[in-house]
Amino acid sequence: RKEVEQDPGPFNVPEGATVAFNCTYSNSASQSFFWYRQDCRKEPKLLMSVYSSGNEDGRFTAQLNRASQYISLLIRDSKLSDSATYLCVVNPIYNQGGKLIFGQGTELSVKP
Amino acid sequence: DAGITQSPRHKVTETGTPVTLRCHQTENHRYMYWYRQDPGHGLRLIHYSYGVKDTDKGEVSDGYSVSRSKTEDFLLTLESATSSQTSVYFCAISGGGSKVYNEQFFGPGTRLTVL
Repeated sequence: RKEVEQDPGPFNVPEGATVAFNCTYSNSASQSFFWYRQDCRKEPKLLMSVYSSGNEDGRFTAQLNRASQYISLLIRDSKLSDSATYLCVVNPIYNQGGKLIFGQGTELSVKP
Repeated sequence: DAGITQSPRHKVTETGTPVTLRCHQTENHRYMYWYRQDPGHGLRLIHYSYGVKDTDKGEVSDGYSVSRSKTEDFLLTLESATSSQTSVYFCAISGGGSKVYNEQFFGPGTRLTVL
């Protein structure tokens, strides 16, 4: 079993749609969680850190379910510019500068 | 955006030649990382550094070495490049005073082709 698993997609949605991605992780002791966005042939960019209570940033909402060991990302009112690959990232051990484990990413394509 | 640059941005080389990739940061972040990204594998950690002259191996370190002689520079060397090392290489940094210390910020990447 991979340490971090994501549905690779692609998710094809129309503009304005709501789309949700889920990610599961295998290490129950994992402490820190993130969503990164990666555009084609570009570097990953931090989208959100995921806090235990869940957090929201504009159209984006992240949730953490420790009991079931999954993280979710909800995108509301999708824009064409949201088309990208979304990477679920987990730090299995809390420490400063800890090593991160990356999922393979979920591809999102938003169509007009 | 974090001040991270990578050089070269693109390189084509031949099997058996040594190759050095450079990562330079202007953020004074303590931690630096080298990843490779390949289709079907996602991002995989090669080596990382937790301070000047302090480095450790990641999950795919075979065939790679690193050095960090000053805070701002982290070098990745392929001693004798092989075709399996054709990949996109990303440098990342963390530990610079952000709220969550292990948030990492990435450089623009280096596309390496080994013929």
